[in-house]
Amino acid sequence: GQNIDQPTEMTATEGAIVQINCTYQTSGFNGLFWYQQHAGEAPTFLSYNVLDGLEEKGRFSSFLSRSKGYSYLLLKELQMKDSASYLCAVLDSNYQLIWGAGTKLIIKP
Amino acid sequence: GAGVSQSPSNKVTEKGKDVELRCDPISGHTALYWYRQSLGQGLEFLIYFQGNSAPDKSGLPSDRFSAERTGGSVSTLTIQRTQQEDSAVYLCASSPRLEVRARGYTFGSGTRLTVV
Repeated sequence: GQNIDQPTEMTATEGAIVQINCTYQTSGFNGLFWYQQHAGEAPTFLSYNVLDGLEEKGRFSSFLSRSKGYSYLLLKELQMKDSASYLCAVLDSNYQLIWGAGTKLIIKP
Repeated sequence: GAGVSQSPSNKVTEKGKDVELRCDPISGHTALYWYRQSLGQGLEFLIYFQGNSAPDKSGLPSDRFSAERTGGSVSTLTIQRTQQEDSAVYLCASSPRLEVRARGYTFGSGTRLTVV
């Protein structure tokens, strides 16, 4: 079966750095996505990785290791508005996104 | 349109009634997805349409659920004889197949369904 695992909840302090991990086992691999979802809102696209390595985009970076079936999302200089759920999703061989359950990130002052 | 549009944004219905949820994808997007999300939970895949191909209905939880996509554009998700466990936010997303790698899906704002 296909499976994506990420922590249910994490807490971090404003101004700090947090790393949200995601491990996956899927039928084929055509890339990995990170989405952000604020409470009561639809998910919005953050990043896409298909090759190994680190992709940096402002305060957010995403890393992928295909051999390990592993990714992480790194958030720097945390702001209160970063409090949200972060969803990891893998594009499988049929070009469908397989979703993790999401990590709820709580930012404390 | 500029984005994925869903209607209604909120729907309260009595148990046993039928409901129809509508999704207008971004113009030109060939792929359309329906998901369900219960409070505090992840996304549950329901159904997937891609162009003129037969839809992937593998995620529909029971035969009370059905969906169609007319003319390769607008989609309607129908839930018959609603039950309280159907209460959730129903999200629609679309993507242009060739660009799904770079941009993923674009989601609508969802329909919050409450069955009382």
